Amino acid sequence: GDSVTQTKGPVTLSEGTSLTVNCSYETKQYPTLFWYVQYPGEGPQLLFKVPKANEKGSNRGFEATYDKGTTSFHLQKASVQESDSAVYYCVLGPGGSNAKLTFGKGTKLSVKS
Amino acid sequence: AQTIHQWPVAEIKAVGSPLSLGCTIKGKSSPNLYWYWQATGGTLQQLFYSITVGQVESVVQLNLSASRPKDDQFILSTEKLLLSHSGFYLCAWSLHNYEQYFGPGTRLTVL
Repeated sequence: GDSVTQTKGPVTLSEGTSLTVNCSYETKQYPTLFWYVQYPGEGPQLLFKVPKANEKGSNRGFEATYDKGTTSFHLQKASVQESDSAVYYCVLGPGGSNAKLTFGKGTKLSVKS
Repeated sequence: AQTIHQWPVAEIKAVGSPLSLGCTIKGKSSPNLYWYWQATGGTLQQLFYSITVGQVESVVQLNLSASRPKDDQFILSTEKLLLSHSGFYLCAWSLHNYEQYFGPGTRLTVL
């Protein structure tokens, strides 16, 4: 079945430093890849999606390239802010008749000022 | 603009008691609807999905049931809660089986 493996957290960074959250996926389908972000006590928000292989998605300074060759979709940001503190999920989907999203286990990011 | 509302915001219930959680989507006609469960500190697991009124498919069996009585409403329920039902319940919608948008969630504590 489909699976997603991402950087195990928690990750603690200082403001202004760079972030990389690794994500690799396995699927026999042709998926769209997503990054979602979840703030404490809230539902996940779509950060961005990339429906096509070898294309890049970006939003709020975050970006990721859908690399079909290495089956990777690493999340990067050049300079994190305290407000970026949240849990980040690499997500594979939608797949199957139920449009199932397969979530990674999440990476909790804490940014210190 | 579309809005998604979940109720209640939080519940504290006793083991063996019944439960009903609701979700309403406004501003979108005939969306696909989904229920997810998230254990504290855990990832999201899809429970149910619905493509149309009156039609619900189960993805994971957790002694829960779901119904879609109206186009814009999705209900999650059980007659007898278990301790393992504690967690964060999220409703989501999508169009054409594409990206999903989540509601604010309901925090359930079973004692």
